[in-house]
Amino acid sequence: DIQMTQSPSTLSASVGDRVTITCRASQSISSWLAWYQQKPGKAPKLLIYKTSSLESGVPSRFSGSGSGTEFTLTISSLQPDDFATYYCQQYDSYSSGLTFGGGTKVEIK
Amino acid sequence: EVQLVESGGGLVQPGGSLRLSCAASGITFSSYAMSWVRQAPGKGLEWVSTISGSGGTTYYSDSVKGRFTISRDNSRNTLYLQMNTLRAEDTAVYYCAKDQGGVKSTWGQGTLVTVSS
Repeated sequence: DIQMTQSPSTLSASVGDRVTITCRASQSISSWLAWYQQKPGKAPKLLIYKTSSLESGVPSRFSGSGSGTEFTLTISSLQPDDFATYYCQQYDSYSSGLTFGGGTKVEIK
Repeated sequence: EVQLVESGGGLVQPGGSLRLSCAASGITFSSYAMSWVRQAPGKGLEWVSTISGSGGTTYYSDSVKGRFTISRDNSRNTLYLQMNTLRAEDTAVYYCAKDQGGVKSTWGQGTLVTVSS
């Protein structure tokens, strides 16, 4: 199985801050990486797919980059609605399993 | 608007069985692969299983292989997850999701499964 390691696990930030979350794969997954946002008690919501493609309706302050084994999610200017937990997910191959990172909780500083 | 509504969760004893359902609306159901993803209380997300649009191809995580069976009824726009030989570690909220090449583009609200004596 491909392991996904997210860092940090918790991040304290203020409204307006630029925030970066890192996701590292245990082997190359090309660009097959997605990012999700989850708020307490709610289902996850897709933000970004194929490393950098923004899902329809997602604000442009969210962006993704990377390739191979190293990926980042950036929020250019943190808004009150962005305090949530973020997960990366690799989808390189169903046969070898799809895996999520452990999550990054973005908290109010 | 795409809507996915899970049902069938509840309390079950270890070793027991449960069948989850996910009713889809607002999509051409048979055109999409569908997945189950679970989340144990206070923990992260774990992919469980995926089924192709036709139902002819299925995939499972190692943690549920041989115990869980994913299926679908395209005439009823419904996805299923038959869970057998349940263990305490299967306790989680189970989400169904529309799957597009591995990306979970739309999620249901989830249904809670508790395995406990």
